[in-house]
Amino acid sequence: EVQLVESGGVVVRPGGSLRLSCAASGFTFRDYAMHWVRQAPGKGLEWISFITWDGVFTYYADSVKGRFTISRDNRKDSLYLQMISLRPEDTGVYYCAKGNSSSSIRYSDHWGQGTLVTVSP
Amino acid sequence: DIQMTQSPSSLSASVGDRVTITCRASQGIRNYLAWYQQKPGKVPKLLIYAASTLQSGVPSRFSGSGSGTDFTLTISSLQSEDVATYYCQKYNSAPLTFGGGTKVEI
Repeated sequence: EVQLVESGGVVVRPGGSLRLSCAASGFTFRDYAMHWVRQAPGKGLEWISFITWDGVFTYYADSVKGRFTISRDNRKDSLYLQMISLRPEDTGVYYCAKGNSSSSIRYSDHWGQGTLVTVSP
Repeated sequence: DIQMTQSPSSLSASVGDRVTITCRASQGIRNYLAWYQQKPGKVPKLLIYAASTLQSGVPSRFSGSGSGTDFTLTISSLQSEDVATYYCQKYNSAPLTFGGGTKVEI
């Protein structure tokens, strides 16, 4: 069974930094691309980042480009999201999601439970 | 960037009704479209990919159609457990934009 467990969500002040983690199990992590998707309170889904199986190619939404960095460690079956210069509008639940291909941009077929990031003074 | 517009933003229907949700892309995306269901307080779940392919385990009352810029998600006979918000997402290229969502109520 595919399992994705996010961690690292906390309350942080505007301008602060944070690193989210996602521990994967139940599938061969190194064979799949991964995504981060977020959801502001009471709002819709927002795709924010994608990384290929080998970490060579990464993509970002304009809203986070230059501030967020996606990475992965295939030896640890883990996905990360480094976030800097956080803004109140970055508040929300951050989901780690498994892609359906190793390198091609594809939909997400499994999602974690999410971790809540709150950016507030 | 390609924008994804869903309509309606919400709807109310009766058990057994046929429900149709529309998703329109501002440019052609061939069939690179997925639909997700998010029940209240729950994690999103993949329903359909490649515009019309049902994900394993999803009830057959759900179906998808369309190509290019216009897509639909149909629930052939609405059930109480289908109360949720439904999202489309394009994945032909980055950014993988979601539609704004359609909230389905009974």
